[in-house]
Amino acid sequence: NAGVTQTPKFQVLKTGQSMTLQCAQDMNHNSMYWYRQDPGMGLRLIYYSASEGTTDKGEVPNGYNVSRLNKREFSLRLESAAPSQTSVYFCASRGWGTGGNQPQHFGDGTRLSIL
Amino acid sequence: AQSVTQLDSQVPVFEEAPVELRCNYSSSVSVYLFWYVQYPNQGLQLLLKYLSGSTLVKGINGFEAEFNKSQTSFHLRKPSVHISDTAEYFCAVSDPFNNDMRFGAGTRLTVKP
Repeated sequence: NAGVTQTPKFQVLKTGQSMTLQCAQDMNHNSMYWYRQDPGMGLRLIYYSASEGTTDKGEVPNGYNVSRLNKREFSLRLESAAPSQTSVYFCASRGWGTGGNQPQHFGDGTRLSIL
Repeated sequence: AQSVTQLDSQVPVFEEAPVELRCNYSSSVSVYLFWYVQYPNQGLQLLLKYLSGSTLVKGINGFEAEFNKSQTSFHLRKPSVHISDTAEYFCAVSDPFNNDMRFGAGTRLTVKP
């Protein structure tokens, strides 16, 4: 019963390098989300995908791109990493409910440091 | 758009004491409210949720929260905390019209022996 799986768990990059964070869920959920978590700022939504084939920007999309590869997988790409993108990244998924009443299920996070 | 304010960034408390973690929200429409807990180096886990009906909601690990529409609040309480409750707690809000969820900045609960 894996739930939401994120890879890698840790990564160190140099400024300007690119990287893709992977996320997969096995709960047959339609919606998937990418957040970043910074001290004192809670979770901020980067991008989300309401259903397979759609993606939308969240609060802080600049510097990121996403791909909803299929219903299970939602990846986050940093094309040219910057130190300001040092953060903990969380992927989440949510199933259908009566419009917004389902909780999100979270992965364990990817800790990304950019030097 | 909805938003969430967690009024305390840190709450220290002694073991077996009661605790209240405060959360206020703003929204122009009806809302759904959630509390999550995050243990070190882990993701967020759902503690409890309010969707409709009874304003007192019970969750896991002995936590409960009360929805107060007039005060736009959803405070989390536990009558007697344990060392193992040390964690960060997040309040979150969503509504029937948007697919996202807004989180508060978090409250770090530290339970001391």
